Amino acid sequence: NAGVTQTPKFRILKIGQSMTLQCAQDMNHNYMYWYRQDPGMGLKLIYYSVGAGITDKGEVPNGYNVSRSTTEDFPLRLELAAPSQTSVYFCASSYPGTQGSEQFFGPGTRLTVL
Amino acid sequence: KNQVEQSPQSLIILEGKNCTLQCNYTVSPFSNLRWYKQDTGRGPVSLTIMTFSENTKSNGRYTATLDADTKQSSLHITASQLSDSASYICVVAFNNAGNMLTFGGGTRLMVKP
Repeated sequence: NAGVTQTPKFRILKIGQSMTLQCAQDMNHNYMYWYRQDPGMGLKLIYYSVGAGITDKGEVPNGYNVSRSTTEDFPLRLELAAPSQTSVYFCASSYPGTQGSEQFFGPGTRLTVL
Repeated sequence: KNQVEQSPQSLIILEGKNCTLQCNYTVSPFSNLRWYKQDTGRGPVSLTIMTFSENTKSNGRYTATLDADTKQSSLHITASQLSDSASYICVVAFNNAGNMLTFGGGTRLMVKP
């Protein structure tokens, strides 16, 4: 199993540009998540999905959009990039569980907006 | 507001020594507490998950403790190795399903030879 994969690894955007961060998992997990990690800060949840066709906002959703058309893929879309979106983005996935199950993280995408 | 505070922010120890990292949380409702290891440039990897009723949990040289009364947790690393150099993140789940997480800022550990 490849686990959780993310592309690209690095990207530099100009203000106002758009891009899609790709995330895929091959563990047949129902739950998928997008987080951002700023230097010295804890990860913040952007969006999450409990299954194909179902998405919901996390703590910091403004400026982002997601879709979940398949169990495997959970892309994150930035429509009008802003410097405040400079961050490292992590995708994660997990099984559902009554007490929570382990979240498996991808390697991250480092995004710089100039 | 849910918060997870970790101390120290950074720590340098010599190879072979032990160390203890601290975590205090104000999260409600509490579902479970996790410790993750994050190597530089990589995603976090789970070390332990503890529910309300668990006081201690081990994973090899890593031992996590939880005091739900004082809302404190610690991660003890025994006989440190160079490969233990990483950030260690305390994470608390705050919903019944246990998958909505509040992350601490992490403790950056450097193990020197």
